[in-house]
Amino acid sequence: AQTVTQSQPEMSVQEAETVTLSCTYDTSESDYYLFWYKQPPSRQMILVIRQEAYKQQNATENRFSVNFQKAAKSFSLKISDSQLGDAAMYFCAYLNTGNQFYFGTGTSLTVIP
Amino acid sequence: GAVVSQHPSWVICKSGTSVKIECRSLDFQATTMFWYRQFPKQSLMLMATSNEGSKATYEQGVEKDKFLINHASLTLSTLTVTSAHPEDSSFYICSASTGNNSPLHFGNGTRLTVT
Repeated sequence: AQTVTQSQPEMSVQEAETVTLSCTYDTSESDYYLFWYKQPPSRQMILVIRQEAYKQQNATENRFSVNFQKAAKSFSLKISDSQLGDAAMYFCAYLNTGNQFYFGTGTSLTVIP
Repeated sequence: GAVVSQHPSWVICKSGTSVKIECRSLDFQATTMFWYRQFPKQSLMLMATSNEGSKATYEQGVEKDKFLINHASLTLSTLTVTSAHPEDSSFYICSASTGNNSPLHFGNGTRLTVT
């Protein structure tokens, strides 16, 4: 089974600054998909960004971007111009071709005003 | 698009009673739905995979007789916690996928408290 590791249980960032959340995964597959989900205090899981493994170009969604390093099996999330509403738990997720999802343990992000 | 509705959002029940949680995909058909359990400040723990028209696939350690899953249609899956006990108190989240390597879309979750 694939494993997803988020080595940062907690992170903090000053408002308007940039923060990077790390994620690594273990797999022997070549085709797969990676996601970052955000879970604010409401506990609703919100999709932030996705990356297809076959694409070399890093995905970007407004202030959110990823650094996908396939060889290193690394998938970090960069949040630019951090806002108070970005405070949440962030989960990295891996999807294999068998439609199975694997989630990391999460990183709690605090945004300091 | 891809909205998943989960009901109820919170429920309190007495020990020994059963509770049913519904998960509906509102604007798409979901052949597969997933049920997760989440403890405070922890990740999502997959309980079972629900497939329309067939029996659910339970993860190791999840009691299938206690957590009954029914996926009667392409838009509805239900999780029934039978003979609930205080240790079943938790946050339960359903999710659905349109398949074809698409992202999971999550319901709002159900906070269950068993007294």
